Amino acid sequence: GEDVEQSLFLSVREGDSSVINCTYTDSSSTYLYWYKQEPGAGLQLLTYIFSNMDMKQDQRLTVLLNKKDKHLSLRIADTQTGDSAIYFCAESPGGGYNKLIFGAGTRLAVHP
Amino acid sequence: EAGVAQSPRYKIIEKRQSVAFWCNPISGHATLYWYQQILGQGPKLLIQFQNNGVVDDSQLPKDRFSAERLKGVDSTLKIQPAKLEDSAVYLCASSLDRGGIYEQYFGPGTRLTVT
Repeated sequence: GEDVEQSLFLSVREGDSSVINCTYTDSSSTYLYWYKQEPGAGLQLLTYIFSNMDMKQDQRLTVLLNKKDKHLSLRIADTQTGDSAIYFCAESPGGGYNKLIFGAGTRLAVHP
Repeated sequence: EAGVAQSPRYKIIEKRQSVAFWCNPISGHATLYWYQQILGQGPKLLIQFQNNGVVDDSQLPKDRFSAERLKGVDSTLKIQPAKLEDSAVYLCASSLDRGGIYEQYFGPGTRLTVT
């Protein structure tokens, strides 16, 4: 089946690193994605990783993929108040239709 | 480039009434998606179009929901009649095939409240 699990809430201090974790179920997923949603806004693609990679870095963002355990994480270095938002992990199951299966989202709160 | 446009942004209706949402995707994007996002949950795909054809509507409640994408550009999503559990944000997204990577760009959504 298709299911994506995330922890619901994370609180960090400004300047610290944030790590948001996700587990997925479909081993045929070719790409895995991280989206950010700010209040009242649609989802914004942050980054994605191809399933044959185990790490991808993009400025302050680092994505780690453990395909054996179907575990994905997003690390945000030097977290800022502007990073406060809901972060969604999504898998793209095989089948050719490129639909996304989203987790319930992790609310990141950054405090001074 | 202009983003995905949706209207209206907010809608309040009574149960059993009908409602329609409109989406204009990013120019040139062949694939269009409608998602339902219930409060506290991630978006759930309702229907996906490739140009003006439906490629996935497996989670669309077809007894009350309908969608069309005439001429492969704009799309409308309709609910008739609405139920209380349809209260949600309806998100439209579009994507372009970039060598197998389909980056989905989302509109701001329409927040529907059914009373």
